[in-house]
Amino acid sequence: DAGVIQSPRHEVTEMGQEVTLRCKPISGHDYLFWYRQTMMRGLELLIYFNNNVPIDDSGMPEDRFSAKMPNASFSTLKIQPSEPRDSAVYFCASSLRAGEETQYFGPGTRLLVL
Amino acid sequence: AQSVSQHNHHVILSEAASLELGCNYSYGGTVNLFWYVQYPGQHLQLLLKYFSGDPLVKGIKGFEAEFIKSKFSFNLRKPSVQWSDTAEYFCAVKAAGNKLTFGGGTRVLVKP
Repeated sequence: DAGVIQSPRHEVTEMGQEVTLRCKPISGHDYLFWYRQTMMRGLELLIYFNNNVPIDDSGMPEDRFSAKMPNASFSTLKIQPSEPRDSAVYFCASSLRAGEETQYFGPGTRLLVL
Repeated sequence: AQSVSQHNHHVILSEAASLELGCNYSYGGTVNLFWYVQYPGQHLQLLLKYFSGDPLVKGIKGFEAEFIKSKFSFNLRKPSVQWSDTAEYFCAVKAAGNKLTFGGGTRVLVKP
């Protein structure tokens, strides 16, 4: 299995632009998670999905952030408009089921908003 | 809400030294506990996990962790580190639901 796939790996954009991050979970995994990692705040859970349905988005910082999962093999995290404080590494993770399941992380997207 | 504390932000040690990283969590119910490692420029990888049973858990690369319920702790240990263990280590807790709560991480630098 290729593991969790994220694209792009690096993104540099200007303030005000729309940014779309993409994630392909491991095939057969029912749960998908989006995390943000910054020096100041560490690793934070933004949102997670179960069977393509958003379950908990309490970690999404503000309305500029949105996430979708149109099917079991694809999810997007969108920031519109982007701001410099959104600069971070965004990780996607997936897990097989609830309960005693390990989350498998993708390589991350390193976002820099100028 | 649950929280996870990692006491040391940075640890510097020499090869062959022993390593112990502290992790404490605040949650009174049943928890699942994890240690993840992030090597420079790479994504998080699972080192070990505890769900139930023997509180001493052995993971990959010679790491182990001990769950002490009375102390709400899940400390990570390795008897003899190598230069390749230079990385950032994250403790994580999963309580009710499926949300993982991560500690702030500990950056470990092993000097050759």
